[in-house]
Amino acid sequence: GAGVSQSPSNKVTEKGKDVELRCDPISGHTALYWYRQSLGQGLEFLIYFQGNSAPDKSGLPSDRFSAERTGGSVSTLTIQRTQQEDSAVYLCASSLASTGTQYFGPGTRLTVL
Amino acid sequence: QKEVEQNSGPLSVPEGAIASLNCTYSDRGSQSFFWYRQYSGKSPELIMSIYSNGDKEDGRFTAQLNKASQYVSLLIRDSQPSDSATYLCAPRAMNRDDKIIFGKGTRLHILP
Repeated sequence: GAGVSQSPSNKVTEKGKDVELRCDPISGHTALYWYRQSLGQGLEFLIYFQGNSAPDKSGLPSDRFSAERTGGSVSTLTIQRTQQEDSAVYLCASSLASTGTQYFGPGTRLTVL
Repeated sequence: QKEVEQNSGPLSVPEGAIASLNCTYSDRGSQSFFWYRQYSGKSPELIMSIYSNGDKEDGRFTAQLNKASQYVSLLIRDSQPSDSATYLCAPRAMNRDDKIIFGKGTRLHILP
């Protein structure tokens, strides 16, 4: 079946511009995570959606970052007024609450010039 | 604050030897544990999960769990160059709605 998809795969933007990154989770998965991974670094948790509960936004690094999940499915991560330090790979993962196994998308590589 | 600790490495192991990757966690309520592998430039993928104390074997991989010591490990027997990757540990709390926190990972390098 279809896995987690993310778009775009690559995004180059200029400092100060806003960007939107999209994640399509596996159908039926109630949990959705966003992570950021800088070159050679570990996964940095950003935000977690679980069912109809309020999202856990504790990992968002600043108020320039926000995310939505519409209809319990597709999620969009928005970064406003991008900075060079926002350059990284942004990964999305989804899972079933029953198993907890996260399935990762291929990621979006963001480059801020 | 729940913490997951892994030695960042790199851990260098000769081809054919056993690679031992370790992970400690702070949340005593953790009930299940996941090991993921991440190749350079790729996304993480699940290798194994373990729920009960003791060993769980899957091919060349063995996960070992000791809840009393808050310690979980992954052994890779007959290491191959294709095992060179970063290995991430992720404990899961009893409450299934709690988010899962990953360790920073251990970089493993298998020497041909």
